[in-house]
Amino acid sequence: GEDVEQSLFLSVREGDSSVINCTYTDSSSTYLYWYKQEPGAGLQLLTYIFSNMDMKQDQRLTVLLNKKDKHLSLRIADTQTGDSAIYFCAESMGSNYQLIWGAGTKLIIKP
Amino acid sequence: KAGVTQTPRYLIKTRGQQVTLSCSPISGHRSVSWYQQTPGQGLQFLFEYFSETQRNKGNFPGRFSGRQFSNSRSEMNVSTLELGDSALYLCASSLGAAGTDGQYFGPGTRLTVT
Repeated sequence: GEDVEQSLFLSVREGDSSVINCTYTDSSSTYLYWYKQEPGAGLQLLTYIFSNMDMKQDQRLTVLLNKKDKHLSLRIADTQTGDSAIYFCAESMGSNYQLIWGAGTKLIIKP
Repeated sequence: KAGVTQTPRYLIKTRGQQVTLSCSPISGHRSVSWYQQTPGQGLQFLFEYFSETQRNKGNFPGRFSGRQFSNSRSEMNVSTLELGDSALYLCASSLGAAGTDGQYFGPGTRLTVT
C-alpha cells in the first residue's frame, strides 16, 4: 500500500550533522520532497528531488535518494538551534501526482 | 510576492455549527490544497483544487467540502462540526498541480470545537 515512514524523533548536538531518514513504498514516485515546520507555523518547502536524481545539494542541505531501497534522506550540516523543527518527507505518485506524507521527524538540538 | 494567507487565524465554534475557512494563494498559483493537522493523526490531505476543479480528494466525510474561485482563492467548509474536527487547517498553493511542484503553505487556521 501507499506509505511513507519516518522516525518520530532525532536528537543531535549543535554543530553536528543531522540525518533524517524516510522510506517510501511506491517505486513509481516522481518527486520527493522535504518540508520543515517550526512551532506554530505552516510547513516550509526545503527542497525536492526528481526520482531520476541520486543527490541534490543546497547550502547546508544534502538530499540522497536510493531508489533501489526506496530510501530518502536529508542531511543538515552544522546543525544549529534554528534547525529545531519537525521535518516531513512526501512523495508524489501515480498519474495524478497524489502526495503521500510521512508523519514527520522532530529534530531536537542538544547544546 | 505575498505568501499564502489564511483567514481567520483562530476560530472557536460549537458542536453542530458550520464553519468556512478562506485561503488566498500566492499570485499566479493555480493549485490550492487543504490539509488537516492534529497531534494524533498528523498531516491529513483533504482536497486539492486546480483551476476551479477538484483534482484530488482525501479520505474525509462529505461534511468537508471546498471550492475554488476564478481568482484561485479557495474556501473550505465544514458542516455539523464535531469535537474531533478541532485541528490546525493548512492551505498550500503551487504553481502547477500539487505533486509536480513544491507547495507553499499558509500559517493555518486553528479551529477549536467545543
